[in-house]
Amino acid sequence: DADVTQTPRNRITKTGKRIMLECSQTKGHDRMYWYRQDPGLGLRLIYYSFDVKDINKGEISDGYSVSRQAQAKFSLSLESAIPNQTALYFCATSGVRQMNTGELFFGEGSRLTVL
Amino acid sequence: ELKVEQNPLFLSMQEGKNYTIYCNYSTTSDRLYWYRQDPGKSLESLFVLLSNGAVKQEGRLMASLDTKARLSTLHITAAVHDLSATYFCAVDSSGTYKYIFGTGTRLKVLA
Repeated sequence: DADVTQTPRNRITKTGKRIMLECSQTKGHDRMYWYRQDPGLGLRLIYYSFDVKDINKGEISDGYSVSRQAQAKFSLSLESAIPNQTALYFCATSGVRQMNTGELFFGEGSRLTVL
Repeated sequence: ELKVEQNPLFLSMQEGKNYTIYCNYSTTSDRLYWYRQDPGKSLESLFVLLSNGAVKQEGRLMASLDTKARLSTLHITAAVHDLSATYFCAVDSSGTYKYIFGTGTRLKVLA
């Protein structure tokens, strides 16, 4: 089984609908991240969390919200989806720097299409 | 605000040739990461560069970091088709654990 699991893997929805993307991990990492990938723009950071009570905005947080339900779970919500939120979304985790290299471990991605 | 730039964005090269991908960043950082993404797949870690002058090699790929110049390079030696992928660099801005990615370099190695 994957260490970082994203659901759903693919979703098509309509403008104005509320969408939640979920991420769970078995790596025991404290830090979790949500990125979106668009062609030619690389990965852009939406939100990141260092623990359940520590959530931070990233580069492009407008139109998104997150919830860290537990150390292992980090959800991304689009309250009212719009077409320019069509993208590939990645969840990633990272351990505590002093104990490892700080590299990110990614889920398989969630492809979201907003019509 | 940290900016990370990669160039080139696209690279088409013949098998057996050498080339370098560049990653520039705008603020102080002591750690830089390289990731690989195959088409339709997720990202996987290639290299972690931990300090100025760090050099890591894996097969035909070699990465280096110059923190004073705020520059990392990913050098490809004698390219083979299996190296075709998109390569991303990412920077942790001054120990904040906020990882900012470059736009990626899409590499295509032609037989």
